[in-house]
Amino acid sequence: DVKVTQSSRYLVKRTGEKVFLECVQDMDHENMFWYRQDPGLGLRLIYFSYDVKMKEKGDIPEGYSVSREKKERFSLILESASTNQTSMYLCASSAEVLTSGTFTDTQYFGPGTRLTVL
Amino acid sequence: GQNIDQPTEMTATEGAIVQINCTYQTSGFNGLFWYQQHAGEAPTFLSYNVLDGLEEKGRFSSFLSRSKGYSYLLLKELQMKDSASYLCAVRDQRTGANNLFFGTGTRLTVIP
Repeated sequence: DVKVTQSSRYLVKRTGEKVFLECVQDMDHENMFWYRQDPGLGLRLIYFSYDVKMKEKGDIPEGYSVSREKKERFSLILESASTNQTSMYLCASSAEVLTSGTFTDTQYFGPGTRLTVL
Repeated sequence: GQNIDQPTEMTATEGAIVQINCTYQTSGFNGLFWYQQHAGEAPTFLSYNVLDGLEEKGRFSSFLSRSKGYSYLLLKELQMKDSASYLCAVRDQRTGANNLFFGTGTRLTVIP
């Protein structure tokens, strides 16, 4: 089974703090993603990475950065946390999977980190 | 951009059948996914459609019509444990990547 783990389930930080959210996958997946999930807005893509040292902006990258130094680990960084970054953060990794007779890239999610910024 | 619509909430009775609809607008459609997410947990993959028609997986089936920009997830013989949010997600080839764009989810409540 694919396993995606995130460093914390719950995190409370203060405005202006630097915050690191860690994600590790154990299936040698090339692709990794960071989303945030907010009520009424669904999952929104922050950053993604298709290879080590590679990163691409998603739909809402402002206020965030990422790091992918090793294939299995993808870190999300909030340089200076703000209250509007209070959210559920979900990490995912993906690989080609044979589904319904077709190879498709399927994303597998970690359990999420609920971040509160005070 | 992408526009994905699904109902916010639905309620159904244990043992019944429920259909959750999803409509989308995207110019580079390259597949549609359904995920299940229990409260406080990670989304888990349910199904994938890229061609028109019905895909069946046990009690769950998913249908796609690309010409209509429409999909539905059908849940049969509902069980209490099916109470969860169901997320529709579309892959858009225009982004040149395997990124997914998610709807806001449908919260399904199964009642006895």
